[in-house]
Amino acid sequence: DAGVIQSPRHEVTEMGQEVTLRCKPISGHDYLFWYRQTMMRGLELLIYFNNNVPIDDSGMPEDRFSAKMPNASFSTLKIQPSEPRDSAVYFCASSFRRGLAGDTDTQYFGPGTRLTVL
Amino acid sequence: AQSVTQLGSHVSVSEGALVLLRCNYSSSVPPYLFWYVQYPNQGLQLLLKYTTGATLVKGINGFEAEFKKSETSFHLTKPSAHMSDAAEYFCAVRYKAAGNKLTFGGGTRVLVKP
Repeated sequence: DAGVIQSPRHEVTEMGQEVTLRCKPISGHDYLFWYRQTMMRGLELLIYFNNNVPIDDSGMPEDRFSAKMPNASFSTLKIQPSEPRDSAVYFCASSFRRGLAGDTDTQYFGPGTRLTVL
Repeated sequence: AQSVTQLGSHVSVSEGALVLLRCNYSSSVPPYLFWYVQYPNQGLQLLLKYTTGATLVKGINGFEAEFKKSETSFHLTKPSAHMSDAAEYFCAVRYKAAGNKLTFGGGTRVLVKP
């Protein structure tokens, strides 16, 4: 399996521009997560989906951030307009729920997108 | 609020020495517990996890961790450090009442000296 695929790997943009990050989860996985990693705040969960439906978006910082999952093999995280404080590494992860009793799931992480907003 | 704490943001060990990374959680209900490793410019990779059963869990690359309910801890150890162990390590918890969300600790960066 190719693992979780993220694109682009690096993105440099200017303040005010729209940024779109992309993620392809592992085939067959039914959960998808978006995280943000910064030195100051560490690793934060932004939003996660189950079967393409957003379950918890309480970590999304503000209305400038939006995420979609139009099908089981693709998700986007969009920032519009972008600001310098959005500079971070954004990770996508996917997992597969096993069993019916809330079994733990291993989240598989992509390589991340390093976003720099000037 | 439920949280997970990693003691020490940086740890330096000599090659061949014991690696000990500390993780404590704050909850009266034991969560599911995870250790992840992040190598430079890469995503996170699962080292090991505890769900139920045996409290001593063995993972990849010679790492193991022990769940101690009385201490609300899940410390990660490796008997003999290797240069390739230089990375950042994250402890994470998943509380059953929190759905499928993982909460990560702040991370511990390990430096291995020759």
